[in-house]
Amino acid sequence: NAGVTQTPKFQVLKTGQSMTLQCAQDMNHEYMSWYRQDPGMGLRLIHYSVGAGITDQGEVPNGYNVSRSTTEDFPLRLLSAAPSQTSVYFCASSSGSAGGNTIYFGEGSWLTVV
Amino acid sequence: AQSVTQLDSQVPVFEEAPVELRCNYSSSVSVYLFWYVQYPNQGLQLLLKYLSGSTLVESINGFEAEFNKSQTSFHLRKPSVHISDTAEYFCAGGVTGGSQGNLIFGKGTKLSVKP
Repeated sequence: NAGVTQTPKFQVLKTGQSMTLQCAQDMNHEYMSWYRQDPGMGLRLIHYSVGAGITDQGEVPNGYNVSRSTTEDFPLRLLSAAPSQTSVYFCASSSGSAGGNTIYFGEGSWLTVV
Repeated sequence: AQSVTQLDSQVPVFEEAPVELRCNYSSSVSVYLFWYVQYPNQGLQLLLKYLSGSTLVESINGFEAEFNKSQTSFHLRKPSVHISDTAEYFCAGGVTGGSQGNLIFGKGTKLSVKP
């Protein structure tokens, strides 16, 4: 069972470079989201999507773009990487609202911006 | 403001001792509450969740949590921990309102079980 798959697992970027973190789920989930995890901060929501073609901002959206052209994929784009974006990124999906459904997380992507 | 607070950032404990990881939530957070566990260099795994019904929920590996509405708490407990329970534990609450499918997380508690 693949579940939620993130790539790459590790990435080093130079300041100003752009990149895309890929996320795919094979569970036909409507809801997908991106979180970043920083020491002592827990997980903070970056962007989320409630279905194909629909995205919205979370708590910390600045510096990131997303799109949702298919149900399966939800890529996260860094247009001009900054050292403050050094973090671990988690993609997540669920079949419905957090009230009644389990959220499944990917294995994480470790990003370092130098 | 919606918030989930984990009162301890680190909890060291000896093997076979009991442990309690504390979590409080703001009243504006949905009463859907979760505990996730993260082992080193891995993603988050659901440990247990409270949606409704019995206020005491259990996981398959001996953890339990009790939803206490009057104290707005959802503390995680285990009567006897093992070395393998060493991990970071996150309490989370379902978000009320329009942010469907998303969670508010606490800052995490690192449980360190020593032999």
